Amino acid sequence: QQQVKQSPQSLIVQKGGISIINCAYENTAFDYFPWYQQFPGKGPALLIAIRPDVSEKKEGRFTISFNKSAKQFSLHIMDSQPGDSATYFCAAHREGLTFGGGTRLMVKP
Amino acid sequence: SQTIHQWPATLVQPVGSPLSLECTVEGTSNPNLYWYRQAAGRGLQLLFYSVGIGQISSEVPQNLSASRPQDRQFILSSKKLLLSDSGFYLCAWSVFGRGQETQYFGPGTRLLVL
Repeated sequence: QQQVKQSPQSLIVQKGGISIINCAYENTAFDYFPWYQQFPGKGPALLIAIRPDVSEKKEGRFTISFNKSAKQFSLHIMDSQPGDSATYFCAAHREGLTFGGGTRLMVKP
Repeated sequence: SQTIHQWPATLVQPVGSPLSLECTVEGTSNPNLYWYRQAAGRGLQLLFYSVGIGQISSEVPQNLSASRPQDRQFILSSKKLLLSDSGFYLCAWSVFGRGQETQYFGPGTRLLVL
């Protein structure tokens, strides 16, 4: 069974700090790893994504680090802001997305 | 630009009643379409996906069904709702580009079965 394990379930970070969310997968056939951001009552929105042939991708304050041999990838949010408070989902793609369980991030002012 | 619509936004239904949720996509043709369910405070579970009209793949056996009567229309149905069907239902469409498939989600339908 395809699985993506995400940790932590919840995270509290002070404004200006670094938020780090980790994911691990099992199926080496996954070909694309996106991160989604979801605000309460809204659908998830694509935040940033990476392919397995790349070790790091940065877009603004958001960075994905990818470790293919360990089958792990992580999202780093630099200079975290209260507006970043949301639930974040990692996912792995193969004929549809398999999502991690989500991380509820709270950034305190 | 592409947009995705879902309706209704919120629905309260009694146990045993039928269900029909609709999703439509504008601004693209022949998209892959997906239905996900999100239980309160939990992750997303893929329910169905479709690569074309009349082509439906089911990921999780349950009392829900999906249909794609038109290229840009995806419908989620049930003949008899269960309490466990409560949740946030999300439709998504995808586009292929630069060797990868990107999925975009609609606003969702919140379903409460009482």
